[in-house]
Amino acid sequence: DAGVTQTPRHEVAEKGQTIILKCEPVSGHNDLFWYRQTKIQGLELLSYFRSKSLMEDGGAFKDRFKAEMLNSSFSTLKIQPTEPKDSAVYLCASSFGAETLYFGSGTRLTVL
Amino acid sequence: GQQVQQSPASLVLQEGENAELQCNFSSTATQLQWFYQRPGGSLVSLLYNPSGTKHTGRLTSTTVTKERRSSLHISSSQITDSGTYFCAMAQGTGSKLSFGKGAKLTVSP
Repeated sequence: DAGVTQTPRHEVAEKGQTIILKCEPVSGHNDLFWYRQTKIQGLELLSYFRSKSLMEDGGAFKDRFKAEMLNSSFSTLKIQPTEPKDSAVYLCASSFGAETLYFGSGTRLTVL
Repeated sequence: GQQVQQSPASLVLQEGENAELQCNFSSTATQLQWFYQRPGGSLVSLLYNPSGTKHTGRLTSTTVTKERRSSLHISSSQITDSGTYFCAMAQGTGSKLSFGKGAKLTVSP
C-alpha cells in the first residue's frame, strides 16, 4: 500500500500569494490531519478530518488557512495570503480510527 | 488544552549505551504514540502504547496512565538511532494528537 503522499515537496512563494498544498492519505484511512512544524513551535495542528467531516480547524489558524477534503482520498490546504511567518514544514497524516498515525514526507514552504 | 512535556530535550550517548526518554502529559491519555524523525525527514510511528508496556526490537515503551506518563527505552543505541523522538497523546477517541517538543538524541561512535 502507498503511504501518505504530499505534493509539492518544496514550495517558494512571495508574500501575499495563495498556495495550495496537496495530500493523499493512506487508502482506507478515515482520519486526516494537517500539521505545521517549526523549530520554535514544534508540531501544531491545523486541521483534522474524520470521514471527510472537519472535526477541528486549528483555532488560531482559521484566518488564512483553509483545509478541505473533497473526497476520502484527497485533501488540500490553502494558505491565503501567505506571510513570511508561514515558512515551515507542512505535514499531512492519516490513520484508521484511533490507531497508528502515518505521516507524509511533508511540504517545505518558504515565503519570501 | 492538552500539554505534553518531554525530557530530556536532548541527549548525547555513545554507541551501545541505553537511552531513556520521558513524556508527561496534563490529562488522561487514551491514545499515546512515540514517533521518530530523522533530520530533514518525516515522522515515523515507533510504538502505539496508551497503557502498559510494549516492545519492538530494541525499543520498550511503558505508559502509566494514572500517573500521566510514558517512557521510551532504547537499548544498545546505534548511530542510526540519532534523530528526534516525539511523544504524542490524545484524550478520548476522535481527538487530535498533541505533540511534545521532542527529544533530540545524538549517538556517537
